[in-house]
Amino acid sequence: QSALTQPPSASGSPGQSVTISCTGTSSDVGGYNYVSWYQQHPGKAPKLMIYDVTKRPSGVPDRFSGAKSGNTASLTVSGLQAEDEADYYCSSYAGRKARVFGGGTKLTVL
Amino acid sequence: VQLVESGGGLVQPGGSLRLSCAASGFTFRNSWMTWVRQAPGKGLEFVANIGQDGGEKYYVDSVKGRFTISRDNAENSVSLQMNSLRAEDTAMYYCAEGGTTWGYWGQGTLVTVSS
Repeated sequence: QSALTQPPSASGSPGQSVTISCTGTSSDVGGYNYVSWYQQHPGKAPKLMIYDVTKRPSGVPDRFSGAKSGNTASLTVSGLQAEDEADYYCSSYAGRKARVFGGGTKLTVL
Repeated sequence: VQLVESGGGLVQPGGSLRLSCAASGFTFRNSWMTWVRQAPGKGLEFVANIGQDGGEKYYVDSVKGRFTISRDNAENSVSLQMNSLRAEDTAMYYCAEGGTTWGYWGQGTLVTVSS
């Protein structure tokens, strides 16, 4: 049940795009299409942004998109806005008995 | 959808706490439920989840044998009994709807393990 690997920080200017990676193994990210991404503002509960690698829940702007290649998933935020500044966590199914999170990435909008 | 956690607080090492989560706004009996925790200044960690009828339960290795997840579909609630608490269990504990993807989260309840 090892955590997934995310960069600790990422940044971009308003209007730019930024991509956050999430690296696992063939036992989690690479083995299933059940990667999800969560946004968390300080002092708040996490919010689901992407699920099943690429799907966006109702109400999430289409500026947020997800992808996966091999054992690495990614979240891209296009057209960065000030309110996108937050912590982002990836998560993956890792078999019936396990779910794993990434360590989180702090996104700064410059 | 609303998830409201309760039961957190300050407890001494070795002590016990029981967290509860009251659910409303969705068909509770059709949903897996999960507890996720977040230590102060740290990332999210899966703690345990439970299937729709309570027959399947899974735990992160660090809490196996100490924590027990349960649910009451008649009361639309899920609980986490935490025994033999350790300092490293100090965290905000969130209740979330789902087993693998969590679309709804509660506001969390803070558990502090300290003497």
